[in-house]
Amino acid sequence: DADVTQTPRNRITKTGKRIMLECSQTKGHDRMYWYRQDPGLGLRLIYYSFDVKDINKGEISDGYSVSRQAQAKFSLSLESAIPNQTALYFCATSDLQTTQYFGPGTRLTVL
Amino acid sequence: GIQVEQSPPDLILQEGANSTLRCNFSDSVNNLQWFHQNPWGQLINLFYIPSGTKQNGRLSATTVATERYSLLYISSSQTTDSGVYFCAVATYGQNFVFGPGTRLSVLP
Repeated sequence: DADVTQTPRNRITKTGKRIMLECSQTKGHDRMYWYRQDPGLGLRLIYYSFDVKDINKGEISDGYSVSRQAQAKFSLSLESAIPNQTALYFCATSDLQTTQYFGPGTRLTVL
Repeated sequence: GIQVEQSPPDLILQEGANSTLRCNFSDSVNNLQWFHQNPWGQLINLFYIPSGTKQNGRLSATTVATERYSLLYISSSQTTDSGVYFCAVATYGQNFVFGPGTRLSVLP
């Protein structure tokens, strides 16, 4: 089984809808991250969490919120999706500040 | 914040050729990773290499932290090496910053 899983893998939605992307990990890491990738660009950090009680904004948090339900689960929500949030979304985990491990990604399209 | 540049932006090789990808960063770092994003979008860890040299099969990487750059070497390239190669760096207590990537196409 994959160490970091994301659901759904693909989602098409309409402007104004609420969307939740979920991430689960079995690596036992405390640190979890949500990134966004736009075509032809690198990854940009949306939110990160160093433990269940710690949530921090990243570079591009506007329009997003997160929930850390447990050490193994970190969810990203788009309260009211807009077309420029169409992107590939990645969840990642790490132990302290060493290697990051990424999930398979969620391809989100907002019409 | 720290700036990360990668070169070249695009690279086309014939199968069997060697290549060198470069990552420059603007400040001291205590963490540097290389990733390969395959054509299906999956991100794969290649190296955790804040300094020194590492090798894994046909791939090797060298980071010269004092001069603020890292190199990724790919030898005897294969079509499965195609994709985008990212370096990501972090300074102590800060989160990763990703470079824009090098898009590699290996032709059969």
